[in-house]
Amino acid sequence: NAGVTQTPKFQVLKTGQSMTLQCAQDMNHNSMYWYRQDPGMGLRLIYYSASEGTTDKGEVPNGYNVSRLNKREFSLRLESAAPSQTSVYFCASSGYGGGYTEAFFGQGTRLTVV
Amino acid sequence: SQQGEEDPQALSIQEGENATMNCSYKTSINNLQWYRQNSGRGLVHLILIRSNEREKHSGRLRVTLDTSKKSSSLLITASRAADTASYFCATDGGSNYKLTFGKGTLLTVNP
Repeated sequence: NAGVTQTPKFQVLKTGQSMTLQCAQDMNHNSMYWYRQDPGMGLRLIYYSASEGTTDKGEVPNGYNVSRLNKREFSLRLESAAPSQTSVYFCASSGYGGGYTEAFFGQGTRLTVV
Repeated sequence: SQQGEEDPQALSIQEGENATMNCSYKTSINNLQWYRQNSGRGLVHLILIRSNEREKHSGRLRVTLDTSKKSSSLLITASRAADTASYFCATDGGSNYKLTFGKGTLLTVNP
C-alpha cells in the first residue's frame, strides 16, 4: 500500500503566486489533516477534515484554503504565497477521529516562497 | 496555541542508557499519542494511550499518563543510536477529530 502520498515533494514559489498541495490516502480513512512544520515550532495544524464533506480550521489557517474532494483526497491551496509560508507541509490521515487511532503521515512538501 | 508541550527540548545520552521525555497538555483529552520523526521525514506512530489508562508498554517503550496533572512521559529503555530522532506527543483536545502536536524533544543517542 502507498499509504499517504503528497505531491509535490519540493516547490519554490515567488511571492504572490498560488499553488495547490495534493494529498491522497488509500487506507479508507475518514479523517485527514494538514500541518506545517517550522524549526522550533513543532507541527502546527492548519486545517483538518473529520470526514468527507467537512473541513475545520486548525491553529494556523490564515492564508490557506482546503478541499476535501472525496474520501481519498484532501488538498491545501495557497492563494497568494508569502515568505512566511515557507515551511515543510505534512498531510496525515487517520481511521476514525484524530485521537482514537494512529495517524499516518506523508513524506512532506518542502515549500520555499521567495 | 499548541496543546502539548514536550520537555526537555533536547536530550543527549549514551547508547544503552534510558531516555525519558515528558509531555504536558492543556485541556482534557480522550487519548494521547507519541510519534517519532527522523530527520525531517514524516512522523511515525509509536504508541497510543487512552485517558482511562495509566501505563502502556510496547517493546522498549513505556508510556505513562496522569490526567490529573495533564502530563505524560515516554521512556525508551536501553537506547540505541537508531533511536536518534525527534519525539512528539499528540492529543485530540477532547474533540475526537483534531490531532495537535507539541514542539517535540530532539533525542540524540551517542554510540
